[in-house]
Amino acid sequence: DTAVSQTPKYLVTQMGNDKSIKCEQNLGHDTMYWYKQDSKKFLKIMFSYNNKELIINETVPNRFSPKSPDKAHLNLHINSLELGDSAVYFCASSQLPYLQDRSYEQYFGPGTRLTVT
Amino acid sequence: GEDVEQSLFLSVREGDSSVINCTYTDSSSTYLYWYKQEPGAGLQLLTYIFSNMDMKQDQRLTVLLNKKDKHLSLRIADTQTGDSAIYFCAESLSSNTGKLIFGQGTTLQVKP
Repeated sequence: DTAVSQTPKYLVTQMGNDKSIKCEQNLGHDTMYWYKQDSKKFLKIMFSYNNKELIINETVPNRFSPKSPDKAHLNLHINSLELGDSAVYFCASSQLPYLQDRSYEQYFGPGTRLTVT
Repeated sequence: GEDVEQSLFLSVREGDSSVINCTYTDSSSTYLYWYKQEPGAGLQLLTYIFSNMDMKQDQRLTVLLNKKDKHLSLRIADTQTGDSAIYFCAESLSSNTGKLIFGQGTTLQVKP
């Protein structure tokens, strides 16, 4: 019954490695997001895809590349990992298009804690 | 600009009311949200308010919005130890992208 799931939950890796985090939603939503939460709990959006198309691309190093094979999946691939990439990465999904009088609640996954050593 | 500010910490006694405050800068905000994050978990939507409303009540939760001052608050009545968590305020902007701007979160500590 999990609405938004992410794998893995924990990821420990060394600097310079390449890793991927996967996200899947079974809510039938059109839009999926990746957020990064740093050690001070600050949460910032990284990317958003709507129906497999990129619609938000914040100032993120190009070592981070999202990929959406279909609207239920949004994966995050990170090349040449750095110490500063250590954080919790959250996937979320919501329904769009946005209507003026309707809120589009975002549903969050449980997070992937990435530790780069 | 896009900026959402919250105080970082609030401590209350069980049974008291908690009030968590938030200020935002973008006057084009359409919806404002309160999310709860328990330790080791993702964010859970608690409630939201449309920008043309002043107040919304949902059981123990009351949201107050002062659009003139760009101030949002979340009041939790009869606070319980299970309410201990980080509470995030977030605003959505008028652009049709779903982008949310989050505050830095307020850690609520409920003492028995």
